[in-house]
Amino acid sequence: GENVEQHPSTLSVQEGDSAVIKCTYSDSASNYFPWYKQELGKRPQLIIDIRSNVGEKKDQRIAVTLNKTAKHFSLHITETQPEDSAVYFCAAHRRNTGTASKLTFGTGTRLQVTL
Amino acid sequence: NAGVTQTPKFQVLKTGQSMTLQCAQDMNHEYMSWYRQDPGMGLRLIHYSVGAGITDQGEVPNGYNVSRSTTEDFPLRLLSAAPSQTSVYFCASSSGRSIIYEQYFGPGTRLTVT
Repeated sequence: GENVEQHPSTLSVQEGDSAVIKCTYSDSASNYFPWYKQELGKRPQLIIDIRSNVGEKKDQRIAVTLNKTAKHFSLHITETQPEDSAVYFCAAHRRNTGTASKLTFGTGTRLQVTL
Repeated sequence: NAGVTQTPKFQVLKTGQSMTLQCAQDMNHEYMSWYRQDPGMGLRLIHYSVGAGITDQGEVPNGYNVSRSTTEDFPLRLLSAAPSQTSVYFCASSSGRSIIYEQYFGPGTRLTVT
C-alpha cells in the first residue's frame, strides 16, 4: 500500500519567517495530495490540495509544490503568523479500481510560530 | 447545516465492553469514513463507505465494524474494547464517491479503554 513520510515532526519559526514541510510518498499511482491543518483540540480542516497534473498551487500565504518524478510534495507558508501554529498533515490518494478510495496521511508536523 | 456530527464527545470503557460511536452528516455526501488519531501516528483509516449499503476496510479495521444503511449515518462499533483502542476517533465525509474532494471532519470522540 501507500506509505507517506512527513518531515519535520516539529518546526519552530519566528513570526514573519517562512515554514516548509515536506512529504514523500511511495506509490507512483497516487494522484491527489491534500494538506490538512489541525488546531489544538479541533478537527482537521483542508487548507490546500494539489492534483498530479499540476506542479504548484498557491492560495495567499500558502503554497504546495509537487515533484512527481521524485515522489515528494511540500507545503510552504510565508509571512507566518501566530494563528498558523497548529499540526499540519499531508496525505496522498491512490487511484484504485472499483470502489476503493483511500487517503494515507503523514504523521504530522507541529508548527509553532513564536513572537 | 450542522455538517458532520459525532456522539459522544468523550467515552470511558472497560476492557471487553462494546459500544457504538455515532456519526451523521447532513450534506448528502456519499463518501464517509472513520479515522483514529494517535500521537505521532497521524490519521489512520479504519473503515469507509462510498454509499448506502457499501463499506470497505481501511488500514486498521481489526476490532471495529461498520454499516451504512442510510446516506446520512455511518456508525462505528467496537465489539470488545481493548486498551489499544484508546484514541481519538474522527468521522469524515466527502462529496461524490471518491475522496479526491475535500473531506469534512466531525469534532471527534475521545475514547479511553481501561
